[in-house]
Amino acid sequence: EDQVTQSPEALRLQEGESSSLNCSYTVSGLRGLFWYRQDPGKGPEFLFTLYSAGEEKEKERLKATLTKKESFLHITAPKPEDSATYLCAVVQGAQKLVFGQGTRLTINP
Amino acid sequence: DSGVTQTPKHLITATGQRVTLRCSPRSGDLSVYWYQQSLDQGLQFLIQYYNGEERAKGNILERFSAQQFPDLHSELNLSSLELGDSALYFCASSPLAGGETQYFGPGTRLLVL
Repeated sequence: EDQVTQSPEALRLQEGESSSLNCSYTVSGLRGLFWYRQDPGKGPEFLFTLYSAGEEKEKERLKATLTKKESFLHITAPKPEDSATYLCAVVQGAQKLVFGQGTRLTINP
Repeated sequence: DSGVTQTPKHLITATGQRVTLRCSPRSGDLSVYWYQQSLDQGLQFLIQYYNGEERAKGNILERFSAQQFPDLHSELNLSSLELGDSALYFCASSPLAGGETQYFGPGTRLLVL
């Protein structure tokens, strides 16, 4: 059974304090790993797709990286508007996404 | 704005009732996926339709059913509702049959009293 585990569950940072979120996965034949951002009561917003180990993608203060067993979402000099839950997911069976429980990130001004 | 629309935004109903949630995918997308998000379960895949045909099934209860119409919009029907069905229901769409990025709608919040 494919599994996705995210850590930490919650993270509180000061504005400007960089950190990383972790997503560990077990899947037979990775076909894609996805990062989403979700604000309370809203739909997940797509951030990145990674397909192979060593791949990196960046968007503003966020950078996602992928190894054979985990992915990291690095956040550099975060701002309060970066506060959200960050979700990681892998493709299972070429169709459905299997999501982790998410990391709830809070950035204090 | 992902381009995926869902109606209604909120729904309050009673146990035993039946409701229909509606989803319109992004222009050009052929696949529609339904997910349920509750506090204790996280985001759970329910079902996928591709170009009108059921493509994959997840943890969908027998009381729930879905369909995709020729114009590619989809409806999720929930019947004999129970308190535990209260959750956020999201629709997502993608261009092809699966494996590529899915774009999510704003969701329907269902409250069963």
